[in-house]
Amino acid sequence: SQTIHQWPATLVQPVGSPLSLECTVEGTSNPNLYWYRQAAGRGLQLLFYSVGIGQISSEVPQNLSASRPQDRQFILSSKKLLLSDSGFYLCAWSRPLDYGYTFGSGTRLTVV
Amino acid sequence: GENVEQHPSTLSVQEGDSAVIKCTYSDSASNYFPWYKQELGKRPQLIIDIRSNVGEKKDQRIAVTLNKTAKHFSLHITETQPEDSAVYFCAASVYSGGYQKVTFGTGTKLQVIP
Repeated sequence: SQTIHQWPATLVQPVGSPLSLECTVEGTSNPNLYWYRQAAGRGLQLLFYSVGIGQISSEVPQNLSASRPQDRQFILSSKKLLLSDSGFYLCAWSRPLDYGYTFGSGTRLTVV
Repeated sequence: GENVEQHPSTLSVQEGDSAVIKCTYSDSASNYFPWYKQELGKRPQLIIDIRSNVGEKKDQRIAVTLNKTAKHFSLHITETQPEDSAVYFCAASVYSGGYQKVTFGTGTKLQVIP
């Protein structure tokens, strides 16, 4: 069966510090991968998606970047965090040419 | 691009009553409509979905209806229980550029009062 792992679960970072969140998927190959952000009490905003290694598309221009160094690994980064980067970050995967997402357990990021 | 509107934003019902959440979408190319339940501090989890070639789908106490002509779909929960309390998100999805482009509604906070 397929599983998705996301870490860390919680993170408190000062303004201006770097960020690295990691997501890995097991039990499948060539998944489509997604990064979403959910601000407190708000909906889900798609940040990045990837259909293959090194292939990253951005939905919203911002202070963040994403990378896919391996088939089942997706990384969300920032060089300098802003207060507005606080939120609940969710990684998700889906099979190519198939429907339905599975979300990771999320990372709650607080920028102070 | 796709725009998904969801109503109501909050909903309180007595235990045992029914709850209905409604969504509309704008892109007629959308062909897959999932519903997610998110408990406080947890990840969204898929509870039911429907494809555009189906008008209605039911899974125990949960049902979803789709009206393609009107571009709206609804979630119906019958015999609500306290554990149904959560935020529910509708979504509309279409394949574009090799990936599944999913647009979420803004969520409905459902409170089931014992």
